[in-house]
Amino acid sequence: AQSVSQHNHHVILSEAASLELGCNYSYGGTVNLFWYVQYPGQHLQLLLKYFSGDPLVKGIKGFEAEFIKSKFSFNLRKPSVQWSDTAEYFCAVNEAVGDMRFGAGTRLTVKP
Amino acid sequence: KAGVTQTPRYLIKTRGQQVTLSCSPISGHRSVSWYQQTPGQGLQFLFEYFSETQRNKGNFPGRFSGRQFSNSRSEMNVSTLELGDSALYLCASSGTSGSTDTQYFGPGTRLTVL
Repeated sequence: AQSVSQHNHHVILSEAASLELGCNYSYGGTVNLFWYVQYPGQHLQLLLKYFSGDPLVKGIKGFEAEFIKSKFSFNLRKPSVQWSDTAEYFCAVNEAVGDMRFGAGTRLTVKP
Repeated sequence: KAGVTQTPRYLIKTRGQQVTLSCSPISGHRSVSWYQQTPGQGLQFLFEYFSETQRNKGNFPGRFSGRQFSNSRSEMNVSTLELGDSALYLCASSGTSGSTDTQYFGPGTRLTVL
């Protein structure tokens, strides 16, 4: 069955620490990959997406993600987190139009 | 440009009732997708409409249905509500028909079933 796995449910970091959130998917064909963020009390919003080309994708707010096809992974990274990065992060995959499958989410808490 | 709007924002219903939720996409967007978000199951895809046609459907029972109007506005209906239907229902719109399109999410409708 198609699935998206996010390994970390809750990550706690201090400001300036580096961040890496794992995402693995199990899909047979070509996929499009996304990371969304949901800040407390706000809408889901897109951080970055990958559908072709350079597997290292840069997004907003200093986030980046690397697509490793052989590992079916699309991990999210940020070299130095800020308190304002406290949010829930969702990895998502789609093959077909409009049918986005999300991971369970990773809650990130950044301590000032 | 105005974002995706959803009405109502909060709704309380009792078991057995039915409910209709509304979503207005970003102007010019023709695709509307619906998701259910719960603490236990996370974000789950319900269905997607494009140009008034349902193109994709998730694994939800037939009690969950939707439609899209000619102005791209969409409604979602849940009949014979169950306690487990309590959730945040999110609507997302995207511009065209491409699977690489970014989906823009609305604030959601929080449904509580008593």
